[in-house]
Order: sequence, then C-alpha cells, then structure tokens
Amino acid sequence: DAMVIQNPRYQVTQFGKPVTLSCSQTLNHNVMYWYQQKSSQAPKLLFHYYDKDFNNEADTPDNFQSRRPNTSFCFLDIRSPGLGDAAMYLCATSSNRGGQPQHFGDGTRLSIL
Amino acid sequence: DAKTTQPNSMESNEEEPVHLPCNHSTISGTDYIHWYRQLPSQGPEYVIHGLTSNVNNRMASLAIAEDRKSSTLILHRATLRDAAVYYCILRDIEGAGSYQLTFGKGTKLSVIP
Repeated sequence: DAMVIQNPRYQVTQFGKPVTLSCSQTLNHNVMYWYQQKSSQAPKLLFHYYDKDFNNEADTPDNFQSRRPNTSFCFLDIRSPGLGDAAMYLCATSSNRGGQPQHFGDGTRLSIL
Repeated sequence: DAKTTQPNSMESNEEEPVHLPCNHSTISGTDYIHWYRQLPSQGPEYVIHGLTSNVNNRMASLAIAEDRKSSTLILHRATLRDAAVYYCILRDIEGAGSYQLTFGKGTKLSVIP
C-alpha cells in the first residue's frame, strides 16, 4: 500500500548528540511536512517542503533542520538535542499546499538521555 | 487560523452513534472544516472535510450548521477502534497559510464495550 513510512519508530540519543530522523513516501506527493508532538499535546508544525522549496515556521528553533534529497525522502536533523526535544516527530505529505488532506506516518518517538 | 472549540472528552457505548461537536464562531467564508483523528501511538488520520454542505464518506458524516459557526462529526456506529483524539481544524485554502494544519486540543473519545 502507498504510505508514509518513518524509521525508526523509537530513537534514543544522548544530550547534545546529533540525530537524524527519516521519512519516506510512496504517494509521490509534492509536499512533505515535519511536526513535533510532545506528550499530551497536539502536533505542531516545524517546517515543510513544497517540492525543493523549504519553508520554516517562524517559531521553529534553529536546532532543527531538514533535508529533502528527492521526492520520496525527507530527513529531520536535530543538531544538539536538549531534554526539551524529547517528543514524537511526525512526517506528513500532501499532494499540494491547498486544502488537500495530509497523510501522516506513525511517527518516531525520540528520547534524550 | 480561526479558532475551534471542542469538548475535552466524550464517551460512547460500542455500536451506538457518536456526535462530536465543534464550535467555530469566527469562521471565514474561505475556511474549510477538516476533521482528523489520532489513535494511540499512531499519526493523525484524515477523516473528512467540508465547506457548507453536509458530507458523507466511508468513515463518517460531517454536519455543518447553516451559519457555519458549528459542525458535528458523526460516527454512525462506534467501534473500539474509533477510540481516539478527534481534531476539528479550520483551513483557509486561499490564504498564505493554506498548507497549515493547526491542531487544537481535540476531543478524546472513549468507547465502552
């Protein structure tokens, strides 16, 4: 089935040690999004790619960066994770930026030691 | 984005209909009403969306008030698998932020066997 796949489902890293989360999609969608969801909170958009065009949300910390080498893959890089970055990270796609539904992966739960 | 208000939690008995309300008194003419749900340990899942007319799909029905200041997501026959957090989200598809899904607190639906 076409879908949005996030690997790994669980990731543990050390305080300050860079970590990369990955997302792939078989939907051939133009737009890919990264959301952060902390415990008992709603998902919050960090940034999105429209094709190769990167769009950062105003309040996304500089510690968070992203790469999209091709249509199918998108990566979330956290340069120096702090304890406050422990969260579920959700990847989503949509066919355009308008009103089309977003399709989410099941997320990567990041723990910081 | 215009704001939505939902009850924090609701309960339903299995195999009974569920009506999940959402108030959006400041909705604009170009705001679509979207519903997503998030099952435990999964990413959000698109349920349904509409503008003015009531909408039906295989998952649910969306009833939109004539003045559009409120809407109701209807699950016709709740199953245990429907236990999730349900988010009502307004999306202005003509605005600069049309790509955004701004999640509120949502309604946590519990289904009692």
